[in-house]
Amino acid sequence: RKEVEQDPGPFNVPEGATVAFNCTYSNSASQSFFWYRQDCRKEPKLLMSVYSSGNEDGRFTAQLNRASQYISLLIRDSKLSDSATYLCVVQAGTALIFGKGTTLSVSS
Amino acid sequence: EAGVTQFPSHSVIEKGQTVTLRCDPISGHDNLYWYRRVMGKEIKFLLHFVKESKQDESGMPNNRFLAERTGGTYSTLKVQPAELEDSGVYFCASSRRPQGVTDTQYFGPGTRLTVL
Repeated sequence: RKEVEQDPGPFNVPEGATVAFNCTYSNSASQSFFWYRQDCRKEPKLLMSVYSSGNEDGRFTAQLNRASQYISLLIRDSKLSDSATYLCVVQAGTALIFGKGTTLSVSS
Repeated sequence: EAGVTQFPSHSVIEKGQTVTLRCDPISGHDNLYWYRRVMGKEIKFLLHFVKESKQDESGMPNNRFLAERTGGTYSTLKVQPAELEDSGVYFCASSRRPQGVTDTQYFGPGTRLTVL
């Protein structure tokens, strides 16, 4: 079983749609949780950290359920510029553990 | 503030040759990490430096890989001799805070290594 598993994707949605990504992790000792965004042939960039209380940043909402070892990302009112690969990332110790990523394609 | 820089951006070498990748972290960042993504797989951790000391090298695949960070500034990752399965994108990341404190890791643009 992979340490971090994500929806296989790709997700193809029209502009304005709401899309949700899910992720599960296997290490119950994981301490920190993140969503990173990676554009084609670019480096991963932190999108947002994820907290148990849930957190929102504009059109993006992230949730963490420690009991279920489940993380989610909701994107509302999708924009063309949201097209990218979204990486679910957990941290145990200092190393980041990445999922394979879910590709989102937003079309007009 | 300049970001993490890596050199070269691309490298194509033949099996058995040696390649050295370089990473310059963000100024003032004591923590430096190396990661790798091979085709079709997720990004995987290789090792972590705090200043010039290796804190965690549990992800290093084998003894053909040697990482150094002399002086605690830039780091090099040498692959000798390179094998076909070493092909992939090698990312470097850096962060500011001491180990044990959650901190954002900022990634460089990566070095795309192709071993023929």
